[in-house]
Amino acid sequence: DTQMTQSPSTLSASVGDRVTITCRASQSISSWLAWYQQKPGKAPKLLIYQASNLESGVPSRFSGSGSGTEFTLTISSLQPDDFATYYCQHYNGYFGPGTQVDIK
Amino acid sequence: EVQLVESGGGLVQPGGSLRLSCAASGFTFSRNWMTWVRQAPGKGLEWVANIKQDGSEKYYVDSVRGRFTISRDNAENSLYLQMNSLRAEDTAVYYCASGCWWGQGTLVTVSS
Repeated sequence: DTQMTQSPSTLSASVGDRVTITCRASQSISSWLAWYQQKPGKAPKLLIYQASNLESGVPSRFSGSGSGTEFTLTISSLQPDDFATYYCQHYNGYFGPGTQVDIK
Repeated sequence: EVQLVESGGGLVQPGGSLRLSCAASGFTFSRNWMTWVRQAPGKGLEWVANIKQDGSEKYYVDSVRGRFTISRDNAENSLYLQMNSLRAEDTAVYYCASGCWWGQGTLVTVSS
């Protein structure tokens, strides 16, 4: 089974910062990767599918890139609503451990 | 409007069983892979099981294989998770999901 890792596990940032989260797969997964945002007590929200496609309704400050084994989620200018936990997920099901983005 | 509504969670003793249900509406259920995902208190998301559109393929995380069974009824637009031999570490909120669509979750607590 393909395992997923993420870095960093936590990230402290300020409003307006550019933020990058990395996700790595234990073997090549082509572009079969999604990114989710989750806030406490809520279901996850899909941000990016197939590594780089922005889900409808998601702000354009979110972007995804990568293929094979290394992927990134970038928030170009962090907004107050973006403080949350972010997860990558391989289409086989497995999630990364998550990256918590909190206020610096 | 797409809706996924889970039910069937609750408190159960170790070794016990529960059956979770997920009622789907607002999309063509029979055309979608369906997934159960869980989240233990204060922990990350964990994929539990997937089922193909016609139910012919099912996949499970190692920790539940042989104890949990995923199934679906396309005529009833419903997804199920039969959970047997429950353990304390199965305590979690269980979500029904398909791509961008997620339910609100149902809490399963395994405790004596």
